[in-house]
Amino acid sequence: KNQVEQSPQSLIILEGKNCTLQCNYTVSPFSNLRWYKQDTGRGPVSLTIMTFSENTKSNGRYTATLDADTKQSSLHITASQLSDSASYICVVSGYSSASKIIFGSGTRLSIRP
Amino acid sequence: GAVVSQHPSRVICKSGTSVKIECRSLDFQATTMFWYRQFPKQSLMLMATSNEGSKATYEQGVEKDKFLINHASLTLSTLTVTSAHPEDSSFYICSATLAGRETQYFGPGTRLLVL
Repeated sequence: KNQVEQSPQSLIILEGKNCTLQCNYTVSPFSNLRWYKQDTGRGPVSLTIMTFSENTKSNGRYTATLDADTKQSSLHITASQLSDSASYICVVSGYSSASKIIFGSGTRLSIRP
Repeated sequence: GAVVSQHPSRVICKSGTSVKIECRSLDFQATTMFWYRQFPKQSLMLMATSNEGSKATYEQGVEKDKFLINHASLTLSTLTVTSAHPEDSSFYICSATLAGRETQYFGPGTRLLVL
């Protein structure tokens, strides 16, 4: 069964600290993996996209990693800011119709001053 | 670039009425648009995929007669929730893709409350 699981479900950290969010997937055949940031009451915004051959990709303070062998991805946030408070969603796309786009349930991140 | 808008941003309606939500790609032509529903503290659930000029493809469990989707142009898709009931209250989000590309650009969402 094609699934995307994210952990932790929620996370609270102090402003300025780093954190890492996890995404494990079973989608096959794998096409690409995206991380989105969704502010409360808003639509998701793309942070990174990685294909099978890419191991890491950065977007400012956000760095995503991908291990296609273990089917794991992480999103590392450096020097967190209050504006980083949001839900972070991992989305995996496959090539088959059954695995075309699978959304993770997201990690709710709260940054405390 | 690649901005997607939705209108209205929020709507309150009485049970039994129909509500239309618009999704527009402002600065690009979207060959494919997607409609999602999101309940509180849950992830997005794909409702349907629509290609310009053809009938929408609905996900399993989504009633096509209740959620009418029209994609009449490359920049506009509409979702009409017919005979809305309180259980239809949710956050509806659309997304659009550029021709030949997979990246989805999401709209800001529409919050529907059915009383």
